[in-house]
Amino acid sequence: AQSVTQPDIHITVSEGASLELRCNYSYGATPYLFWYVQSPGQGLQLLLKYFSGDTLVQGIKGFEAEFKRSQSSFNLRKPSVHWSDAAEYFCAVGAGSSASKIIFGSGTRLSIRP
Amino acid sequence: EAQVTQNPRYLITVTGKKLTVTCSQNMNHEYMSWYRQDPGLGLRQIYYSMNVEVTDKGDVPEGYKVSRKEKRNFPLILESPSPNQTSLYFCASSLKGQGNNSPLHFGNGTRLTVT
Repeated sequence: AQSVTQPDIHITVSEGASLELRCNYSYGATPYLFWYVQSPGQGLQLLLKYFSGDTLVQGIKGFEAEFKRSQSSFNLRKPSVHWSDAAEYFCAVGAGSSASKIIFGSGTRLSIRP
Repeated sequence: EAQVTQNPRYLITVTGKKLTVTCSQNMNHEYMSWYRQDPGLGLRQIYYSMNVEVTDKGDVPEGYKVSRKEKRNFPLILESPSPNQTSLYFCASSLKGQGNNSPLHFGNGTRLTVT
């Protein structure tokens, strides 16, 4: 069965520091992989996605993620975080035709230390 | 403005009283989906629809119904709500499903409390 694991429930980093959020997935075929961000009281917004090709994908707001098939991982990174990056981040895998079934991880809450 | 609109934003109801949460999108999207968000569990897919009159179960469909009679609307129906359906619900749509390189657009959520 497909699953997504985000091992870190809550992470705090200092403003200007680098960030890496971990995501591991379980899926039998080549997955569609996504990272979404949720600000308080809001719906989710797509940060970036991986379908195929280059394993390092660039997203909005300066985020990037690297697909590593051998480790079943799709970690999200940002070289220098800003206070406005404080939010909850969700990794997701798409299964089925057109990634119609979406499985989300449990989320990682990011806090920024001034 | 392109958007996904859910109503109501907040709803408090009692066990067994049928309710409907509406979802409407103005982007002519084919794909629509419902999720519930619970602390520590992330988002779980309830139902999705690839197009008009085409719906399918997600991971947690029990206790829910949906219909897709027209492209823009995808209501979520709870025939007999129970307290374990207390949750934050999100509707989302995309042009043709994320696998066709079309991202999900989310509504702002409906917070449902069943007493």
